[in-house]
Amino acid sequence: SQTIHQWPATLVQPVGSPLSLECTVEGTSNPNLYWYRQAAGRGLQLLFYSVGIGQISSEVPQNLSASRPQDRQFILSSKKLLLSDSGFYLCAWSVRKTEAFFGQGTRLTVV
Amino acid sequence: AQSVTQPDIHITVSEGASLELRCNYSYGATPYLFWYVQSPGQGLQLLLKYFSGDTLVQGIKGFEAEFKRSQSSFNLRKPSVHWSDAAEYFCAVGAASSASKIIFGSGTRLSIRP
Repeated sequence: SQTIHQWPATLVQPVGSPLSLECTVEGTSNPNLYWYRQAAGRGLQLLFYSVGIGQISSEVPQNLSASRPQDRQFILSSKKLLLSDSGFYLCAWSVRKTEAFFGQGTRLTVV
Repeated sequence: AQSVTQPDIHITVSEGASLELRCNYSYGATPYLFWYVQSPGQGLQLLLKYFSGDTLVQGIKGFEAEFKRSQSSFNLRKPSVHWSDAAEYFCAVGAASSASKIIFGSGTRLSIRP
């Protein structure tokens, strides 16, 4: 069966520090991969999605970037965090004719 | 471009009353439509989905949704809500293309009045 792993669960980082959040999927091949951010009152905002290795679409101009070095690995990064980067980050995957399946999320607090 | 609108930010209904949460979408092709629920401190759980066929879709926990192409809507309904239904509800739209992304609405927070 398919599973998705996202870590860490919580993270507290100082302003200006780098960020790396990792997500891996097991049990499926060539999934679409997503990074969403959930902020209070703003729902689930799609940040990046990828349909294949090295193929990244950015949905929102921001301080973040994403990479997909392997088929089932998706990484969210920042060189210098801002206070406004705080939020709940969710990784998800889907394949054709399925819904999005979510990881447990990372609560990021930038201080 | 794909978009999803959930016009109600917060709804309060009495326990035992009926519920309808609104969702309108914008998409050029035939959409795939989803409703998710997120309880406080929990992850996202799929309630139901529409891909094709019967426009009235049954989901878990007694929820149903109706796809109305002419109105670009996919409203979620429940005939009688329970206190445990208090949560945040998200509508989402995707498509048949393997390259399609899934876009979520801003969510509707449901409170239940005892």
